[in-house]
Amino acid sequence: ETGVTQTPRHLVMGMTNKKSLKCEQHLGHNAMYWYKQSAKKPLELMFVYNFKEQTENNSVPSRFSPECPNSSHLFLHLHTLQPEDSALYLCASSREGASGGTDTQYFGPGTRLTVL
Amino acid sequence: SQQGEEDPQALSIQEGENATMNCSYKTSINNLQWYRQNSGRGLVHLILIRSNEREKHSGRLRVTLDTSKKSSSLLITASRAADTASYFCAMNSGYSTLTFGKGTMLLVSP
Repeated sequence: ETGVTQTPRHLVMGMTNKKSLKCEQHLGHNAMYWYKQSAKKPLELMFVYNFKEQTENNSVPSRFSPECPNSSHLFLHLHTLQPEDSALYLCASSREGASGGTDTQYFGPGTRLTVL
Repeated sequence: SQQGEEDPQALSIQEGENATMNCSYKTSINNLQWYRQNSGRGLVHLILIRSNEREKHSGRLRVTLDTSKKSSSLLITASRAADTASYFCAMNSGYSTLTFGKGTMLLVSP
């Protein structure tokens, strides 16, 4: 266990559904991240939150909407997704701070998302 | 961009053999990290080597860094079937986040 949990572990949704992914870290970290991992592609950084403020949005489509209510929780709200959005979505956290996301990152187990 | 490139993409060895994976990058770094991922799971941090270090050890892992060649290698000695996983290098270039490579898939057969 890395101290980062993600729910649900598996999710199947239709293109018109609305769902949310949840991530929680129990490490006292200040930075949290969402990544997308598709087959045969490098890990793609989606969003970064540092002290609850979004510090990076890597040109992610608006059908993905992040929310960070506090330093321990991170959500990814999904709506009107496309089949190509099917992937493993990974959450990570790091101690971080003003220096940026360069500390060791601790990953959750991921949510396997399938969009039909 | 600071995209890392692991080599080889896939590696298949027998238990007891050593496994070597390489990572090349493009721009200067503050540190380089190696992560491991079991199939369908999250990544687990293995080791971090700073730009002023040339070699680092952790158990059966040995990491080297050559900043002049912009490359790093990860050596796993006396491999075990449980070492079967994908291995990623991640570069810290002093900007906001880490940049991950595409990974090397390691298969260790009993």
